[in-house]
Amino acid sequence: SQTIHQWPATLVQPVGSPLSLECTVEGTSNPNLYWYRQAAGRGLQLLFYSVGIGQISSEVPQNLSASRPQDRQFILSSKKLLLSDSGFYLCACSRDTDTQYFGPGTRLTVL
Amino acid sequence: GQQVMQIPQYQHVQEGEDFTTYCNSSTTLSNIQWYKQRPGGHPVFLIQLVKSGEVKKQKRLTFQFGEAKKNSSLHITATQTTDVGTYFCAALYNFNKFYFGSGTKLNVKP
Repeated sequence: SQTIHQWPATLVQPVGSPLSLECTVEGTSNPNLYWYRQAAGRGLQLLFYSVGIGQISSEVPQNLSASRPQDRQFILSSKKLLLSDSGFYLCACSRDTDTQYFGPGTRLTVL
Repeated sequence: GQQVMQIPQYQHVQEGEDFTTYCNSSTTLSNIQWYKQRPGGHPVFLIQLVKSGEVKKQKRLTFQFGEAKKNSSLHITATQTTDVGTYFCAALYNFNKFYFGSGTKLNVKP
């Protein structure tokens, strides 16, 4: 079965600093990959999804971007973080319309 | 964008009482999934419903998909403290995109 790795687990960054969160997947090939953000006590907001290398769809216009340089690697980036970027960032993978498996998440605090 | 409405936002029950959370969509869904997120953890898949009117059970949990495939419910019978967490529905609309409901946070008093 799939295993999803995310790092770092927690991150504290100043406003205006860059961001790079990495997600890697084991146990499957050519998965669909997703980035979600969850604000404290809230639901999951879909940020980006990818059906293949170099194929990224953005759901919400903002100062974040995503890239998929390899089949099982998904990266979330920002050039300049905002206070509102704080949250719990979750990477997930699935095969077509099947179950989504979530990684352990990264808790980002922007100060 | 697509929206899935989930109610209630919070539910506090005494251990042994039942619990139900509901998801509603204005459009027909391809399928619907349910996830549970324990405090401090990440969402974990519970079940997927695909067919109109489908009912599935997992021990004390009963999942239903509406006849029109626009709504779904999760019912827990005789809650236990281990049921504490936030329950999310996730609806598949098209092209492998899932939209999550806002979640129902369940607290169970022992």
